Amino acid sequence: GAGVSQTPSNKVTEKGKYVELRCDPISGHTALYWYRQSLGQGPEFLIYFQGTGAADDSGLPNDRFFAVRPEGSVSTLKIQRTERGDSAVYLCASSLLGTDTQYFGPGTRLTVL
Amino acid sequence: AQKITQTQPGMFVQEKEAVTLDCTYDTSDPSYGLFWYKQPSSGEMIFLIYQGSYDQQNATEGRYSLNFQKARKSANLVISASQLGDSAMYFCAMREVGYNNNDMRFGAGTRLTVKP
Repeated sequence: GAGVSQTPSNKVTEKGKYVELRCDPISGHTALYWYRQSLGQGPEFLIYFQGTGAADDSGLPNDRFFAVRPEGSVSTLKIQRTERGDSAVYLCASSLLGTDTQYFGPGTRLTVL
Repeated sequence: AQKITQTQPGMFVQEKEAVTLDCTYDTSDPSYGLFWYKQPSSGEMIFLIYQGSYDQQNATEGRYSLNFQKARKSANLVISASQLGDSAMYFCAMREVGYNNNDMRFGAGTRLTVKP
């Protein structure tokens, strides 16, 4: 079946602009996660959704970052007033309720100029 | 505090040989899961293997096995019969099963290069 998909694959923006990154999880997966991976590092947790609600947003670095999942499937990560330090690969993962294994999408590479 | 430590930034292995990638972790939670992911140059994180903290047997998945030493807090990945396609970054990760522990912590990764 189809895996986790993310769009766009690459996004280049200017400092101060607003961006939206989209994640489409595996069908039937109720849990959805966002991670950020900086160059040369492992992914860092941002936010976790169980269904439509953000069950844990403790990893969001500041209030410029926000994510939604209005219908419990597709999720959008929103970044306001982007900064150069936001440049990274943003990864989305999903898992079945009650299981630990997370399946990742290909990521969106965000570059803030 | 760093919870996952991968001490080998880079490893080389000859094709068809076995290789061990090291991972140590730190937790006070008695219930946790350990994972290994492969990240090729394309960027996608590919799930390889999972070990639960209460599992008595070491996990195996095809050519991958996890050498789980609970007392040492070690979860090394063993890849047998290396193939050129195994060249990639490998990440060890842990998820603690505690109240509101929803994040998976990753190590810094090990870059494996398989030589022909």
